[in-house]
Amino acid sequence: GAVVSQHPSRVICKSGTSVKIECRSLDFQATTMFWYRQFPKKSLMLMATSNEGSKATYEQGVEKDKFLINHASLTLSTLTVTSAHPEDSSFYICSFLERGGSETQYFGPGTRLLVL
Amino acid sequence: GNSVTQMEGPVTLSEEAFLTINCTYTATGYPSLFWYVQYPGEGLQLLLKATKADDKGSNKGFEATYRKETTSFHLEKGSVQVSDSAVYFCALANSGGYQKVTFGTGTKLQVIP
Repeated sequence: GAVVSQHPSRVICKSGTSVKIECRSLDFQATTMFWYRQFPKKSLMLMATSNEGSKATYEQGVEKDKFLINHASLTLSTLTVTSAHPEDSSFYICSFLERGGSETQYFGPGTRLLVL
Repeated sequence: GNSVTQMEGPVTLSEEAFLTINCTYTATGYPSLFWYVQYPGEGLQLLLKATKADDKGSNKGFEATYRKETTSFHLEKGSVQVSDSAVYFCALANSGGYQKVTFGTGTKLQVIP
């Protein structure tokens, strides 16, 4: 199947700093990608959807100025958590929707963020 | 809105036991249904899917049938292995648009030798 990578896999930062998470599709191009947040023992919560070349669409309750998404190309997207606080500590997962109309999303391995 | 309800875990089974993880959904229209699996330390992987009523998705010995009359998509496997230990997510997506997926809360499966 398709491969999606995320970097870093784990990051610890101080409160008030910004953290950037990269998401890459390694063997396919995608016009649409998604960022999710996963809480312990909870399901994935969709944060935002972005289409290459346009601004991201954020879900209700997600602050767009805090979670900056840049869909730089058909194979790269970044999520920047700005001025991180302990409550932002979570597991962040990206996914790409394969170009060609498939309904299948391919997920990255996730990034564990811990804000001290 | 759309929602997915799946049985709470964890589910602990002995190797070669029969597995059923229940999943029911609420959705408008005719959604596609999915099962994703998340192995420890890894991202979600698509396990199987079904796009219309009465379709059966299958992969790696796992099966699930799209039952519109009961709005269910239960996951089954006849004989589980230790390597099947993971968290399983039931999900749905409406066709069209940008394929927004709604996930269940996940069910952790632990298979013991």
